[in-house]
Amino acid sequence: DVKVTQSSRYLVKRTGEKVFLECVQDMDHENMFWYRQDPGLGLRLIYFSYDVKMKEKGDIPEGYSVSREKKERFSLILESASTNQTSMYLCASSLRGSSPNEQFFGPGTRLTVL
Amino acid sequence: DAKTTQPPSMDCAEGRAANLPCNHSTISGNEYVYWYRQIHSQGPQYIIHGLKNNETNEMASLIITEDRKSSTLILPHATLRDTAVYYCIVIWGGSQGNLIFGKGTKLSVKP
Repeated sequence: DVKVTQSSRYLVKRTGEKVFLECVQDMDHENMFWYRQDPGLGLRLIYFSYDVKMKEKGDIPEGYSVSREKKERFSLILESASTNQTSMYLCASSLRGSSPNEQFFGPGTRLTVL
Repeated sequence: DAKTTQPPSMDCAEGRAANLPCNHSTISGNEYVYWYRQIHSQGPQYIIHGLKNNETNEMASLIITEDRKSSTLILPHATLRDTAVYYCIVIWGGSQGNLIFGKGTKLSVKP
């Protein structure tokens, strides 16, 4: 069974902390994505990556950075967490080529910043 | 902004077909229609996609009108586990991502 896993389902951090959210996929997909989901706002793309060491800004990259050192792993970093980053974070991956928009999502990490 | 319009909610009896409509009147010739769903507390799940022909897979059928301005997702025999928010997305076929999810339709399957 294909899988996208995220390091934590729930996370509570304090304002100003550095936060790492990890995502791993076992499908050998080239594309990986980080979204956040907020009530009334739907899913919004933060960053995505087409390949190892490559990254592209999405719609709301401010306050976030990413790292893709290995093909299967895509990390989202909150350099200094703030309360407005409290959200559900979703990682996804897809195959480059015929169905790039068939994205496989992880279960999500619900982050609370106090 | 999402390019699609969906009803906010629908009910369906268990075992019946669920027909979920989506309007996408501004769709262009090289844009596909994708459907995803999100069960409570889970990540979205891909269901099906199409360009202009009707499509069927093990989960659902997708009917696209001839003018491509609307489509219907059909779950032939809805179960309680199909209760979810269903999203219709229009996206360029060459895109490598950035799915724009609108508000979707909350489908409630009732026993």
